Amino acid sequence: EAGVAQSPRYKIIEKRQSVAFWCNPISGHATLYWYQQILGQGPKLLIQFQNNGVVDDSQLPKDRFSAERLKGVDSTLKIQPAKLEDSAVYLCASSLDYRTGYGYTFGSGTRLTVV
Amino acid sequence: AQTVTQSQPEMSVQEAETVTLSCTYDTSESDYYLFWYKQPPSRQMILVIRQEAYKQQNATENRFSVNFQKAAKSFSLKISDSQLGDAAMYFCAYPGGATNKLIFGTGTLLAVQP
Repeated sequence: EAGVAQSPRYKIIEKRQSVAFWCNPISGHATLYWYQQILGQGPKLLIQFQNNGVVDDSQLPKDRFSAERLKGVDSTLKIQPAKLEDSAVYLCASSLDYRTGYGYTFGSGTRLTVV
Repeated sequence: AQTVTQSQPEMSVQEAETVTLSCTYDTSESDYYLFWYKQPPSRQMILVIRQEAYKQQNATENRFSVNFQKAAKSFSLKISDSQLGDAAMYFCAYPGGATNKLIFGTGTLLAVQP
C-alpha cells in the first residue's frame, strides 16, 4: 500500500512570500489532516477534512493560511504571507474515517524555513 | 481541556537495556485510544503501539509494551532490549474531541548508547 505522499520535502522562503504544500493521502482514506510541528514541540492540528468538507479548522490562522481538498482526494495547504514563526514541519496524515479514532498514517512532512 | 503531558524531554539508554518513557493525559471520555509514535530524523510519524482504554490488558508489540493505568490516566512505554535504531523522538498521543484529532505530548528524545 502506498503511503501518504507530500511535497516538497524542504522549502526556504523569505517572510511575506507565499508557499504551498501538497498532500496525496492513502487511497480510500476519507479523512485528511494537516499538522504543524514547531521545533521541540508535538504536532498541532491545523485543519481536518472529511472527504472534501472541513470538520475542524479551529486552530488554522485563517488570515494567512488556507487549505482545500477538491474532489476529496489530494489537498493543498497555502500560507500567504509567511511569517518567521511559520517555520516548522508541516505533516499531512490520513485515516479511513475519523470516527474510528485510529488508523492514522503520516507523510514525511515538509520542512519550511522562513527567513 | 484534553491534554497530553510527557515530563521527560530527553532520555538515554544503553544498547540491550530497558527504558521507560512516561506519559499522562487528561480526558473525561470513558472509551478512547492511546498511541505511542516514533519520529526519526526522516520526520515520518511511525505508530509504535496502540492501547484501547476499555481493554484491561496492556498492549505489547515485540520489544515494546505499555503500562496503562486508566484511573491514574498514565500511559508509559517500555522498550526492552534497546537497539541503536530505537533512537528517535517519541510522542504520546490521544485522539480527542468530537473529531478525534490527535493531541500530542511534547515528546521525549531517546538516545541509545552503544
